[in-house]
Amino acid sequence: DVKVTQSSRYLVKRTGEKVFLECVQDMDHENMFWYRQDPGLGLRLIYFSYDVKMKEKGDIPEGYSVSREKKERFSLILESASTNQTSMYLCASRPMGGETQYFGPGTRLLVL
Amino acid sequence: GENVEQHPSTLSVQEGDSAVIKCTYSDSASNYFPWYKQELGKGPQLIIDIRSNVGEKKDQRIAVTLNKTAKHFSLHITETQPEDSAVYFCAAPSFGNEKLTFGTGTRLTIIP
Repeated sequence: DVKVTQSSRYLVKRTGEKVFLECVQDMDHENMFWYRQDPGLGLRLIYFSYDVKMKEKGDIPEGYSVSREKKERFSLILESASTNQTSMYLCASRPMGGETQYFGPGTRLLVL
Repeated sequence: GENVEQHPSTLSVQEGDSAVIKCTYSDSASNYFPWYKQELGKGPQLIIDIRSNVGEKKDQRIAVTLNKTAKHFSLHITETQPEDSAVYFCAAPSFGNEKLTFGTGTRLTIIP
């Protein structure tokens, strides 16, 4: 079974803090994705990565950056957290050429 | 880019009845339409998908229909059971199938 794990289930941070959300997959997938999920807005793509050290902006990249130094790990970085970044963050992975995305359980982030 | 609209946002049905969720898409070149189910506390998981060369696909109590002319596709769940209670997302590909655009989600509640 594909397993995608996220470092924290719940996280509380202060405005202005630098926040790291970590995602690890164990199936050697080339593609990885970061989404945020908000009520009434569905899943919106923040960034995705085709492979190690490669990244592409999604639909809402403002205020975020990413890092993919190793194939299995894709990190989402909030350089200076703001209250409007309070959300559920979901990571997903997919093999090259595949169609199914495999999601982690999500990190619920609260920025105070 | 692709625009996906999903209705209704919430749906309550009696156990044993059928549920239908509808999505429309904008890009006529889209050719792959997955449905994901998100149970409480978990990440979304693929439950069924359909490609543009077929009009309907079934998997036990779940079916998906596609109308390419009208650019809409629907999820049908028959003989609903309590474990069908979840949030359902439709999606369509964009960027040449490299990423998915998700609908805004439907919260389905099965009433015992």
